[in-house]
Amino acid sequence: AQSVAQPEDQVNVAEGNPLTVKCTYSVSGNPYLFWYVQYPNRGLQFLLKYITGDNLVKGSYGFEAEFNKSQTSFHLKKPSALVSDSALYFCAVGARNSGYSTLTFGKGTMLLVSP
Amino acid sequence: GAGVSQSPRYKVAKRGQDVALRCDPISGHVSLFWYQQALGQGPEFLTYFQNEAQLDKSGLPSDRFFAERPEGSVSTLKIQRTQQEDSAVYLCASSFDAGSSYEQYFGPGTRLTVT
Repeated sequence: AQSVAQPEDQVNVAEGNPLTVKCTYSVSGNPYLFWYVQYPNRGLQFLLKYITGDNLVKGSYGFEAEFNKSQTSFHLKKPSALVSDSALYFCAVGARNSGYSTLTFGKGTMLLVSP
Repeated sequence: GAGVSQSPRYKVAKRGQDVALRCDPISGHVSLFWYQQALGQGPEFLTYFQNEAQLDKSGLPSDRFFAERPEGSVSTLKIQRTQQEDSAVYLCASSFDAGSSYEQYFGPGTRLTVT
């Protein structure tokens, strides 16, 4: 069975400072990893994914994430936070060995960026 | 182009009533997923369709839950004899193809409240 842990319920950061939202995973075989963002009363929006190749993945809105196989982590990062980045962030893992992927999500981390 | 749409956006049902939730995926997307998101939790997988075939229904919590996608496009999730524990946001997602690496695009969800 696959699982995702997001150890922080909430992350607070000042605008302009770097941000990190943590994610660790457990899956059989090599993982597919995703980050999604959810704004109030809206569906989840895809940010970025790791499939294979370069461990540093760049995505939408200046976000990036680093895949670390030895630590089974896929932390989301941004060099300079914006107030508009405040939202709920979900990390998800998909199984690679099936013909389709049923994503397993973490509980989510609320990011609050203060002006 | 148009994203994934879901209707209704909000549904209040009395315990014991049947409900039907509709999902219109992105045109041409092969894969369609239903997820259930309880308050303060990440989405949890319910069922998966590849075109009109329901390949995985392992996440459906009981036989009161039924989903269909008869023509390989629009899907309906039906819940019979609703219970209070069914109260949640039901998310639909579609992806371009069946492979595990394709990101899923989510609709805004249907918030179901059972009273």
